[in-house]
Amino acid sequence: EDQVTQSPEALRLQEGESSSLNCSYTVSGLRGLFWYRQDPGKGPEFLFTLYSAGEEKEKERLKATLTKKESFLHITAPKPEDSATYLCAVRAGRVYKYIFGTGTRLKVLA
Amino acid sequence: DGGITQSPKYLFRKEGQNVTLSCEQNLNHDAMYWYRQDPGQGLRLIYYSQIVNDFQKGDIAEGYSVSREKKESFPLTVTSAQKNPTAFYLCASTPSPSYNEQFFGPGTRLTVL
Repeated sequence: EDQVTQSPEALRLQEGESSSLNCSYTVSGLRGLFWYRQDPGKGPEFLFTLYSAGEEKEKERLKATLTKKESFLHITAPKPEDSATYLCAVRAGRVYKYIFGTGTRLKVLA
Repeated sequence: DGGITQSPKYLFRKEGQNVTLSCEQNLNHDAMYWYRQDPGQGLRLIYYSQIVNDFQKGDIAEGYSVSREKKESFPLTVTSAQKNPTAFYLCASTPSPSYNEQFFGPGTRLTVL
């Protein structure tokens, strides 16, 4: 069964304390892995798409990497405004099929 | 500005009443999607539409209905048959069914009293 698991469920960091979020997946026929940021009460905001193992993408303090079994979202020197829930999703198999993880709630303390 | 709008932001209904959630996009996207988000669960697909006048059931379609009469509009009706309708509902779109990145609307929080 296709599955996406994110860990940890919640993470508290001090401002400037770098860390990584994990997204492990089990799917057949991966068409893409996506990272989104979601603020409370709002819709997800697209961050990155990764297609193949070894691929990396960066945006400001965020860097996403992909292996054959998992993806990491590295946050370097986070700021309080990085506090949000980060969602991972994969697209596999049939055209419409997106599978979402439950997210990691990140809180960055000043 | 181009984007996806959902209305209303908050919706309260009595148990047993049908309610329709609006989703409009001016991005000229062909494909549109409805998701449900519950605490502690990933987004779950309710319905999707790849083109006007066509739509398919997702993983949790029971108790919901949709229409796609116009390219820019994809309303979702939550019927009285939906057992646990209280949730956060998200609409998304992509330029075409094969395009990967989804663009999401701001969401509608439905509370059934």
